[in-house]
Amino acid sequence: EIVMTQSPATLSVSPGERATLSCRASQSVSSSLAWYQQKPGQAPRLLIYGASTRATGIPARFSGSGSGTEFTLTISSLQSEDFAVYYCQQYNNWPPWTFGQGTKVEIK
Amino acid sequence: QLQLQESGPGLVKPSETLSLTCTVSGGSISIKSYYWGWIRQPPGKGLEWIGSIYYSGSPWYNPSLKSRVTISVDTSKNQFSLRLNSVTAADTAVYYCARHWDYFDPWGQGTLVTVSS
Repeated sequence: EIVMTQSPATLSVSPGERATLSCRASQSVSSSLAWYQQKPGQAPRLLIYGASTRATGIPARFSGSGSGTEFTLTISSLQSEDFAVYYCQQYNNWPPWTFGQGTKVEIK
Repeated sequence: QLQLQESGPGLVKPSETLSLTCTVSGGSISIKSYYWGWIRQPPGKGLEWIGSIYYSGSPWYNPSLKSRVTISVDTSKNQFSLRLNSVTAADTAVYYCARHWDYFDPWGQGTLVTVSS
């Protein structure tokens, strides 16, 4: 099973600032990585797939990068609606499809 | 657009069986390019993939739950279902259904299932 580790657990950022979230895989997952955003009481929403491709309707301020075992989600200028929990998920080696434990982006 | 909706009891007693159904609307479940999956999220915790099924009925299960899980599909009703037996308090979670091949999209809204006597 591939273990996904996200850091930090919590990121405190001021509106308008840049946020950088990390995700590390226990072994290479190539570019088979997705990012999700989850707001309280809501289901996760797909943001990024293929490590760097934005899903339909996702604003350009969200960008993903990386390959192999190291990945980054960057939010270039945080808006109020971006404060949420973010999860990474690998789909290179399955089953199981595995998620990271999440990074909470909170208002500083 | 494709929508998924979970349904089932919100309260299950310990040692009994949790049963949920996901109804797919706005598209057919009998599509060759997708799996239909279940994911759960204990309160305040992260996401755990439970299992997935192809429209033809070939399931995949998380090894950590495999002995207790059964996922089935009913193409005539455009539904797929989850059964988790011998539940304990540790199975209390929001249960989501989702379409996927690689990444999961879209998701149902989720349903909270509490295991308690």
